[in-house]
Amino acid sequence: EIVMTQSPATLSVSPGERATLSCRASQSVSSNLAWYQQKPGQAPRLLIYGASTRATGIPARFSGSGSGTEFTLTISSLQSEDFAVYYCQQYNNWRTWTFGQGTKVEIK
Amino acid sequence: QVQLVQSGAEVKKPGASVKVSCKASGYTFTSYGISWVRQAPGQGLEWMGWISAYNGNTNYAQKLQGRVTMTTDTSTSTAYMELRSLRSDDTAVYYCARAPPQGYFDYWGQGTLVTVSS
Repeated sequence: EIVMTQSPATLSVSPGERATLSCRASQSVSSNLAWYQQKPGQAPRLLIYGASTRATGIPARFSGSGSGTEFTLTISSLQSEDFAVYYCQQYNNWRTWTFGQGTKVEIK
Repeated sequence: QVQLVQSGAEVKKPGASVKVSCKASGYTFTSYGISWVRQAPGQGLEWMGWISAYNGNTNYAQKLQGRVTMTTDTSTSTAYMELRSLRSDDTAVYYCARAPPQGYFDYWGQGTLVTVSS
């Protein structure tokens, strides 16, 4: 099983600042990496797929990068609605998916 | 618009079974897979399994093999997830999600809380 490790567990950021979240895979997943945002009491929402492609309706302040085993989600200027938990997910193993443990972005 | 609407909350006793439904609309049901993901209280996301709505092929997470069954009814565009021999640590919100062939999950249901308690 491919293990996904996210860091940090919690990120404290002021509104308007940049946030950088990391995700590492235990083996190469190529670019088969997605990022999701989850707010309390809500279902996860797809942000990024293919490591760097924004999903429909996702603002340009969200960007993804990386390939292989190292990936980054960057939120260029945090808005109040961006404070949430973010998960990475690999989908490189055929029909076997794994998620990272999540990074909580909180208000500093 | 694409929608996945799940059945309501359930309370079950240890050892019982639960079956959660996920009704899809707004797209061609058989062109996508459905994955099930659960989230224990205060915890992260755990992938449970996947089913092809086209031919019913399934793949389950190893830790749930033997206890979980996923099915679809193409006549009603509904997916089902049945979990048997429930334990207290199965208490979680269960989500269905649409899985395009590329592999990510682009639309999610609203979640179904399953509580296992004696």
